[in-house]
Amino acid sequence: AQSVAQPEDQVNVAEGNPLTVKCTYSVSGNPYLFWYVQYPNRGLQFLLKYITGDNLVKGSYGFEAEFNKSQTSFHLKKPSALVSDSALYFCAVRDFSSGSARQLTFGSGTQLTVLP
Amino acid sequence: DTGVSQDPRHKITKRGQNVTFRCDPISEHNRLYWYRQTLGQGPEFLTYFQNEAQLEKSRLLSDRFSAERPKGSFSTLEIQRTEQGDSAMYLCASSLGPDSPNYGYTFGSGTRLTVV
Repeated sequence: AQSVAQPEDQVNVAEGNPLTVKCTYSVSGNPYLFWYVQYPNRGLQFLLKYITGDNLVKGSYGFEAEFNKSQTSFHLKKPSALVSDSALYFCAVRDFSSGSARQLTFGSGTQLTVLP
Repeated sequence: DTGVSQDPRHKITKRGQNVTFRCDPISEHNRLYWYRQTLGQGPEFLTYFQNEAQLEKSRLLSDRFSAERPKGSFSTLEIQRTEQGDSAMYLCASSLGPDSPNYGYTFGSGTRLTVV
């Protein structure tokens, strides 16, 4: 079975400071990993993904994430936070081992608040 | 094609009534997914279509729920005899296959169901 943990329900950071939103995953085989952002009463917007290749992935709006296989983590980062980054962030995983489910499994989300 | 469209955006219904939601995916995407999201939680998988074939269903999809994708394009999700516990945001997503360099889910804005 595949699963995702986002250990922090809430992250607060001051505008201009770096931000990190944590994600760890569990799969049997190779993971495909994603970050999505959700604004109130809206669907999810794609930020970035890791499939293969470089462990550091760059995505939309200045966000990046680092795939760490030994720690089974995929933390989302941004060097300088903006107030407009305040939103709900979801990490998701799909396991590509044989016989695994064909859908993404999402974490419970982390509410990011950037304080002016 | 501007993305995944869902209709209606909001639906208020009385307990016991039937409701139907529609999803129009990105035209070139052959895969379509339905998720349910309750307040403060991550999206939970309901069902998955590849073209017109429904290939996976979650245990969350009770016998009151049915989904179709008759021509491999738009999809409908019907809930019969609605219950208050069905109140949630219903999200539709579409994607290409995992072999595509553009693999990733594109979500619609969702249909918010309130059962009173």
